[in-house]
Amino acid sequence: SSELTQDPAVSVALGQTVRITCQGDSLRSYYASWYQQKPGQAPVLVIYGKNNRPSGIPDRFSGSSSGNTASLTITGAQAEDEADYYCNSRDSSGNLVVFGGGTKLTVL
Amino acid sequence: QVQLVQSGAEVKKPGASVKVSCKASGYTFTGYYMHWVRQAPGQGLEWMGWINPNSGGTNFAQKFQGRVTMTRDTSISTTYMELSSLRSDDTAVYYCARVGNWNDGADFDYWGQGTLVTVSS
Repeated sequence: SSELTQDPAVSVALGQTVRITCQGDSLRSYYASWYQQKPGQAPVLVIYGKNNRPSGIPDRFSGSSSGNTASLTITGAQAEDEADYYCNSRDSSGNLVVFGGGTKLTVL
Repeated sequence: QVQLVQSGAEVKKPGASVKVSCKASGYTFTGYYMHWVRQAPGQGLEWMGWINPNSGGTNFAQKFQGRVTMTRDTSISTTYMELSSLRSDDTAVYYCARVGNWNDGADFDYWGQGTLVTVSS
């Protein structure tokens, strides 16, 4: 399969920890990347590779992977983390790219 | 600093074509593949394809094969995405995005600001 599956919505209490998952066969071969998108803005890369954060991304964001599932964890969620989160990776052929359907994170 | 600056919003009639540009600066243009991603109103991100700015080689999602063309002009560090036979469901924000790492994933490390294409009669 060349699809990536995400839960449509997740909520977390302010200051608590939340994990957002992404499942797909291609994740057995390739790492997922994670993007944060706020309304009206372009996506922003927050995690890539094994567990790497671009410059400027807070260290409360972390990534992990096991089998066909990649996870984005936010430890101590803040109000400003409320956003849509997307995973992507290469597809099983390695030539194309696939995105997950996105997860809407609500911080309560 | 790396910047990707896209052309402005477009309004097109069904059946027409649209060409969106993406001007890169702050890095070696030919050193990184450029991808195009679109997002319909209220929907998720949809990958369309990539272009190798060095060779001009391209690869597209099956859904867009035959309808999309990606080109580049290395003299002005600009890539172009042209979509033809437009339909109302092509209404979306179109983004260009640079791939920073293609070895073990697909990290889109810089994105353009997006170009809204509206298809309406």
